[in-house]
Amino acid sequence: DIRMTQSPSSLSASVGDRVTITCQASQDFGSYVNWYQHKAGKAPKLLIYDASNLGTGVSSRFSGRRSRTDFTFSITNLQPEDVATYYCQQYDDPPYVFGQGTKLEIK
Amino acid sequence: EAQLVESGGDLVQPGGSLRLSCEASGFTFKMYAMHWVRQAPGKGLEWLSYISTTTTNIYYGDAVKGRFTVSRDNAKDSLYLQMDRLRAEDTAVYYCVRGWGITMDIWGRGTMVTVSS
Repeated sequence: DIRMTQSPSSLSASVGDRVTITCQASQDFGSYVNWYQHKAGKAPKLLIYDASNLGTGVSSRFSGRRSRTDFTFSITNLQPEDVATYYCQQYDDPPYVFGQGTKLEIK
Repeated sequence: EAQLVESGGDLVQPGGSLRLSCEASGFTFKMYAMHWVRQAPGKGLEWLSYISTTTTNIYYGDAVKGRFTVSRDNAKDSLYLQMDRLRAEDTAVYYCVRGWGITMDIWGRGTMVTVSS
């Protein structure tokens, strides 16, 4: 099974900052990684698909990139409404595991 | 607007069974694969199961393989999850999710399952 190791587990940053989250895959399988945002009490939301493509209606402040087995997710110009937990997920081969999640807070 | 509404969550004793349902609206259900995902209290998201449009391909996560069964009724625009031999660690919010290909693009609000004596 493919494993996704996500870091950091938590992150605190200021409004206007740029933040970056990383997921490392246990093997090279291409760009089959999505990123999701999960706010407390709400349904998760797809932000990035295929490692670097922006989901429908998603702000351009969010971005993703891939470098072999390393996948990075970034938020620029951090806003209070970005407080959430963010997850990567691989969908190359079942089980379609998620990373452990990164809880983002505003300082 | 595409929408998914889960139901069937309840309090059940360890070893018991429960069937979750998910009703789809606002899109052509039979054209989309579907997933089940859960989140236990204080934990992250856990992918559980995938079912293709015509049920040709069905996959499960290791934690539920052999105990949970996914099914769908395209005539009723509905997805199901039969959960047997439930354990305390199955306590979670269960989400029904639409598959755009494999990518999960539309999520329901979830239904709570509590396994406790």
